[in-house]
Amino acid sequence: EIVLTQSPGTLSLSPGERATLSCRASQNVDFNYLAWYQHKPGQAPRLLIDGASDRATGVPGRFSGSGSGTDFTLTISRLEPEDFAVYYCQQYGNSLYTFGQGTKLEMK
Amino acid sequence: QVQLQESGPGLVRPSETLSLTCTVSGGFISTYYWTWIRQPPGKGLEWIGSIHYTGSADSNPSLKSRATTLIDRSRNQFFLKLTSVTAADTAVYYCARLSVSRENSAYVLGFFDIWGQGTTITVSS
Repeated sequence: EIVLTQSPGTLSLSPGERATLSCRASQNVDFNYLAWYQHKPGQAPRLLIDGASDRATGVPGRFSGSGSGTDFTLTISRLEPEDFAVYYCQQYGNSLYTFGQGTKLEMK
Repeated sequence: QVQLQESGPGLVRPSETLSLTCTVSGGFISTYYWTWIRQPPGKGLEWIGSIHYTGSADSNPSLKSRATTLIDRSRNQFFLKLTSVTAADTAVYYCARLSVSRENSAYVLGFFDIWGQGTTITVSS
């Protein structure tokens, strides 16, 4: 099983600032099959990024994904008020799909 | 626009079987894989299992064969049955559509592009 470790656990920032979220895998993620999701309380999780860097349909350009192998990053270039949520990474390079424990992005 | 909606009992007694339904609207259940994911209180997300519209299914070995996923194309629904539940099965359960990136006879690799809002299941006597 590939274990995904996200850091930081909580990130406190203000609107307009840049957010950098990390996801580290315990072993290489094949094909760089790494996805990012945004989750707000009471809502369905939303796919943001697949294939480590491909934005999903309708996702604003301020969201970008990067990385390969075992180290991946989600960057939000300029935070909007609606971006404050919990973010999860998920690997699908292995058919035993696993998720990170999440990074809570909170408003400072 | 495809939407997913989970439904379930809310409360299940220990040792009983949990049965959940996911209803797919705005599109057909055929041609995709469909998935169950859960999140226990204070913990991360856990993949439970996925099923193809043909009925081919796979599940997380950590559940020790307690989880079964079924599908009914005529009703555009798929289901989860989890046997011998304990307090550790208390969680928010989500259904999701799996978007396939790569597959062969040995594996299916994909991410989850559409999710339901989740249903809370509590295991308690």
